[in-house]
Amino acid sequence: KNQVEQSPQSLIILEGKNCTLQCNYTVSPFSNLRWYKQDTGRGPVSLTIMTFSENTKSNGRYTATLDADTKQSSLHITASQLSDSASYICVVSGPGDSWGKLQFGAGTQVVVTP
Amino acid sequence: EAGVAQSPRYKIIEKRQSVAFWCNPISGHATLYWYQQILGQGPKLLIQFQNNGVVDDSQLPKDRFSAERLKGVDSTLKIQPAKLEDSAVYLCASSLRGDHTGELFFGEGSRLTVL
Repeated sequence: KNQVEQSPQSLIILEGKNCTLQCNYTVSPFSNLRWYKQDTGRGPVSLTIMTFSENTKSNGRYTATLDADTKQSSLHITASQLSDSASYICVVSGPGDSWGKLQFGAGTQVVVTP
Repeated sequence: EAGVAQSPRYKIIEKRQSVAFWCNPISGHATLYWYQQILGQGPKLLIQFQNNGVVDDSQLPKDRFSAERLKGVDSTLKIQPAKLEDSAVYLCASSLRGDHTGELFFGEGSRLTVL
């Protein structure tokens, strides 16, 4: 069973609107959580990273929140642009894990339409 | 700063044929990873190198997949013979260190289609 579940699987939003993506994890103990953006045909690019002691982190129009008690994270996209069309992947690691032990979610596919 | 370089970007082969992918990590990065990403799924680790030594290859199908990192710099991933289920994007990534405190940088990936 995957230890990182993302929802929704996909969503379509109008340009200029906001949206929120969800990530639930069961990795325990937990060390940090990252959100990656993956454009079609490209490699993933890091957006944010949060440790267990942080509950929010922003990167431009992207804001990630973390509730370590409920093991939930969300990624909020404000005033979406066409360039936000991509897959957004949640990645979780435990203490002492190497990058090879990272738990990847399956991603949420976001399509922004004019 | 140059990123992680991969080639070829696309490859189409028939089943039972062989294929090789190449990766050149960011200069100075000791740790190199190969991931397999099947359409609609997150990346799955195939192998992790620390310099030119293998740290983790527990999920590498060793009967058909092999990888090497000679001289601790660039790396090749080979599949022989290929199966239909090997159709995927093969991502190479590198980091300065092998632990979770460092940033992970991905290449653009090599998309393999097995017919």
